[in-house]
Amino acid sequence: AQSVTQLGSHVSVSEGALVLLRCNYSSSVPPYLFWYVQYPNQGLQLLLKYTSAATLVKGINGFEAEFKKSETSFHLTKPSAHMSDAAEYFCAVSAPMAAGGGGNKLTFGTGTQLKVEL
Amino acid sequence: EAQVTQNPRYLITVTGKKLTVTCSQNMNHEYMSWYRQDPGLGLRQIYYSMNVEVTDKGDVPEGYKVSRKEKRNFPLILESPSPNQTSLYFCASTLTGGGNTEAFFGQGTRLTVV
Repeated sequence: AQSVTQLGSHVSVSEGALVLLRCNYSSSVPPYLFWYVQYPNQGLQLLLKYTSAATLVKGINGFEAEFKKSETSFHLTKPSAHMSDAAEYFCAVSAPMAAGGGGNKLTFGTGTQLKVEL
Repeated sequence: EAQVTQNPRYLITVTGKKLTVTCSQNMNHEYMSWYRQDPGLGLRQIYYSMNVEVTDKGDVPEGYKVSRKEKRNFPLILESPSPNQTSLYFCASTLTGGGNTEAFFGQGTRLTVV
């Protein structure tokens, strides 16, 4: 079974500082990995996804993530934080649910709340 | 505009009073899911549907029912709500059940059961 661990339920950075949100995954098969963002009172929207085409994935709003198989990690980074980046971020892994064509299941981490301070 | 629409956005109800949260998508997606979001637990899947009349349990199905009579709609039914079902609920849809497909989420329904 697949799982995702997000280290740090709350991260606080200064505006203009590097953002680093950590995600480690466990999967018995090569995974598809995602980062979603949730702004206050909204649903989740896709930031970026890893689908094995390239290990460094660029997403929206200047975010990127690097897939490191040896470390089973998919950390999210942004060089310079902006106030508008304050939100909750979820890492997710997609893997087959079971044998027999049941499709893939998306399993989420527990989320990291990012606070950006002036 | 491609979207997943949930209603209502906010709901306060009493223990035992049946309720339905509706979900509709306009993208002709095959695959739909319901999640609940609780602090410190992330999103957990309640039920999912691979197509019309095909549904299955997720990780936390107890106390919930779903149906998929039409491709676009996937309502979540709480026959006898209890306070431990107080949560934020999200409906999501994907084009297929394939692993690399993006999930589109509704705006969420905040349910309080008193």
